[in-house]
Amino acid sequence: GAVVSQHPSRVICKSGTSVKIECRSLDFQATTMFWYRQFPKQSLMLMATSNEGSKATYEQGVEKDKFLINHASLTLSTLTVTSAHPEDSSFYICSARDRRGGKETQYFGPGTRLLVL
Amino acid sequence: AQKVTQAQTEISVVEKEDVTLDCVYETRDTTYYLFWYKQPPSGELVFLIRRNSFDEQNEISGRYSWNFQKSTSSFNFTITASQVVDSAVYYCALSTLGDSGYALNFGKGTSLLVTP
Repeated sequence: GAVVSQHPSRVICKSGTSVKIECRSLDFQATTMFWYRQFPKQSLMLMATSNEGSKATYEQGVEKDKFLINHASLTLSTLTVTSAHPEDSSFYICSARDRRGGKETQYFGPGTRLLVL
Repeated sequence: AQKVTQAQTEISVVEKEDVTLDCVYETRDTTYYLFWYKQPPSGELVFLIRRNSFDEQNEISGRYSWNFQKSTSSFNFTITASQVVDSAVYYCALSTLGDSGYALNFGKGTSLLVTP
């Protein structure tokens, strides 16, 4: 399968600080990337859809001013958690949409564990 | 609305047993994709299979097999001769053009524990 990297893998920060997470598709161009969040013992929930060159589309209940998404190139999307609070502690995982050869598949990054103290 | 139901929350089997993980989906779209992902304790999601709505052919990959039946809206996953390394949470997911442009709608997952 394709390779998607995500950095950092783990972040511990103080309440009120901002955290930036990068998601890169390493071997294909992804016009669309997705950001998901997973709380312990729960499934993955879509936060937003990141489209290269345009504004992200956020799911209901996700604050766009708190979770800033930038998809500046065909291989990079970033998620910035602004003024993080303990309730933002979660596992954040991105995926890149692969449409090569007419297939419709998503490959996931390894995820970022965020702990806000 | 799209929905994926994985009724089995946890399954425990002894090594070498066969195990089937159930997945039932709902969608009004005629074009859609179904996926299975494996999530080991490390957290990374491992892609296992993708099926589009026009291809009902079942698939076998080593010890893994998938049974896609549109008539019952099911996409079940069978592991034959299970191994300890198969222990993980398995997610079934559905994607359609819908409102989120092929984002994945995940089921709640089935936690599989394979003991020696």
